[in-house]
Amino acid sequence: ETGVTQSPTHLIKTRGQQVTLRCSSQSGHNTVSWYQQALGQGPQFIFQYYREEENGRGNFPPRFSGLQFPNYSSELNVNALELDDSALYLCASSLGQGLSYEQYFGPGTRLTVT
Amino acid sequence: AQKVTQAQTEISVVEKEDVTLDCVYETRDTTYYLFWYKQPPSGELVFLIRRNSFDEQNEISGRYSWNFQKSTSSFNFTITASQVVDSAVYFCALMEGTFGFNKFYFGSGTKLNVKP
Repeated sequence: ETGVTQSPTHLIKTRGQQVTLRCSSQSGHNTVSWYQQALGQGPQFIFQYYREEENGRGNFPPRFSGLQFPNYSSELNVNALELDDSALYLCASSLGQGLSYEQYFGPGTRLTVT
Repeated sequence: AQKVTQAQTEISVVEKEDVTLDCVYETRDTTYYLFWYKQPPSGELVFLIRRNSFDEQNEISGRYSWNFQKSTSSFNFTITASQVVDSAVYFCALMEGTFGFNKFYFGSGTKLNVKP
């Protein structure tokens, strides 16, 4: 059984640029959630996708957007990058709609905005 | 106000000591879920336990136990006879909201250092 994978591992971008992060769900999982974890902080919920539809969203501006594909993999897009967007971005997959299900996390993508 | 408060930023214990990690949450929902996750130095969050708001039974899993008390809005986690491999950051989390519009909140974490 393949776990959750994320790419790239690390990324450096300049303020104002756009970035796309990718996530492959654990086999059989149809729900993907994205989190932002600043250094020394707990993860913050960005949004969740269930069967290609956004299914819940945290307090993040619209420049954070996402997609889920028919194979349940997902992308997180961030436009107009700001210095505060520097963080570890975590993807988690689960089986079933909603956040009450056990989530399996990937290793994360470390984004640095300069 | 913080939805999930983990007041202990960092705890250091010697191997074989028992340690309790505190978690206090805030919600107006009657149906909600509480979680504990472990984040070892490798970075991947590992699920430990899920509890729904209607189940106040304490749970024990090996050296781990959890105490859920709705009266005090607390969901504390105890590690008995700690081991060096328990060293990690532990997060308590809350899920609230209606079906399809859930939100998930993590605490700021407690870093546990277990020394040999």
